[in-house]
Amino acid sequence: EAQVTQNPRYLITVTGKKLTVTCSQNMNHEYMSWYRQDPGLGLRQIYYSMNVEVTDKGDVPEGYKVSRKEKRNFPLILESPSPNQTSLYFCASSSSTDTQYFGPGTRLTVL
Amino acid sequence: AQKITQTQPGMFVQEKEAVTLDCTYDTSDPSYGLFWYKQPSSGEMIFLIYQGSYDQQNATEGRYSLNFQKARKSANLVISASQLGDSAMYFCALRLKYNFNKFYFGSGTKLNVKP
Repeated sequence: EAQVTQNPRYLITVTGKKLTVTCSQNMNHEYMSWYRQDPGLGLRQIYYSMNVEVTDKGDVPEGYKVSRKEKRNFPLILESPSPNQTSLYFCASSSSTDTQYFGPGTRLTVL
Repeated sequence: AQKITQTQPGMFVQEKEAVTLDCTYDTSDPSYGLFWYKQPSSGEMIFLIYQGSYDQQNATEGRYSLNFQKARKSANLVISASQLGDSAMYFCALRLKYNFNKFYFGSGTKLNVKP
């Protein structure tokens, strides 16, 4: 089954404690992205990747890091989380000619 | 700058009636794609329908159709014969062909279908 998986689905953490949200896709897609969703703001792109070792900033990259060492994986790293990073996070992947396929979302709370 | 605008934060529709969700966009790029996604209360993002900027006909997928008016830069989603399961958030998104990575999302419209 074609899918994008994210882990964990829910996470409560404290300010400053480094965390990683994993993302994996099994569709051999070149393009992968991370979004955050906040009420009234829709989805905002954090980082994206065009292929292995090729990443770039989206609209709201501050406080986040990513890496793309393998085509299927695109983890999101918060080195020092802060309360304003409390949000719903989505990973997505796509080819150049298709829609994006979204993961199930990760609900993050930073205390 | 690229931008997507959804002006209806919330809407109600009676079951079995049709409803139109508005979406306008702003881009100077001649080649782009427009997408609609549904987000039910469970949170997942579900792709509904796609319209390319050079497509001659409006896209349709089952009960969903996209009313594409290129000159007005609008891409409204029409849901025919609404069902209770259509109650959800709906997002319009713009993707530029010259930069496949960039998807711009509107702020969404929450649709409530009344029995």
